[in-house]
Amino acid sequence: QQQVKQSPQSLIVQKGGISIINCAYENTAFDYFPWYQQFPGKGPALLIAIRPDVSEKKEGRFTISFNKSAKQFSLHIMDSQPGDSATYFCAASKYRMLTFGGGTRLMVKP
Amino acid sequence: ETGVTQSPTHLIKTRGQQVTLRCSSQSGHNTVSWYQQALGQGPQFIFQYYREEENGRGNFPPRFSGLQFPNYSSELNVNALELDDSALYLCASRQGEHTEAFFGQGTRLTVV
Repeated sequence: QQQVKQSPQSLIVQKGGISIINCAYENTAFDYFPWYQQFPGKGPALLIAIRPDVSEKKEGRFTISFNKSAKQFSLHIMDSQPGDSATYFCAASKYRMLTFGGGTRLMVKP
Repeated sequence: ETGVTQSPTHLIKTRGQQVTLRCSSQSGHNTVSWYQQALGQGPQFIFQYYREEENGRGNFPPRFSGLQFPNYSSELNVNALELDDSALYLCASRQGEHTEAFFGQGTRLTVV
C-alpha cells in the first residue's frame, strides 16, 4: 500500500528558480513529516521536518508547508542551485517508523 | 558523515542463499531501523529494534529477520534469497523516539 504519494517524479529547474515537491498522506496517525535528500551512492540525509501542529517551517532556502485538513505537505527550495540536484523523499512517521514517498529526482540547470 | 556504518557496501548472492548485513550505530543511539530501497523507489520500512527488542515491523515476510546487540550494533538476515530482494539496504539509528534518524550509506545487494 502506498500511504504517502509524492509528485512530480522528476523536476527540472533553472538555477535561481524555485523547486516545489508535493506529498499527500492517508494515515491521520502520522505525527512527524521529514524531507530527505539523497545523492547517488549515499543514504538519505534529513533536510527539514515538521510536526502537524505547525503550518510552515523554514530553514535557510528550504521551506515545508503543511496542510493538515487536506493531508498534504510540500517542500519549497528557493534559489535552487546545481548542487541541489539530487533525489528528494518526503516521509511520514508514527513512532518514528518512516513511510517514504516514491521520490522526486531534481535537476537544477546552471 | 552520519557515524552510521554498514558492511559490506556491495554484495552479490545467488537465489536461495542466505545473507547477513551489518550496521554499526552512531555512538549512543539505542534504536536502529532497517529499510529496503529498490532501484528508483523510496525506502520501505523492514523493522526496528529498541534496546535489543523488535518493536515494529513492516510488510516483509519472516525470512527477513534481525538482531540488535548490547552495543546497539545490528544485523539484518535474509534467508532463501529471491531475485526481487535485489536492492539497497539502509540502516538508520537514533537516540530515543523524538530524535532525528541518521542513515548509513547502505549495502547494495544483488541476487542473481
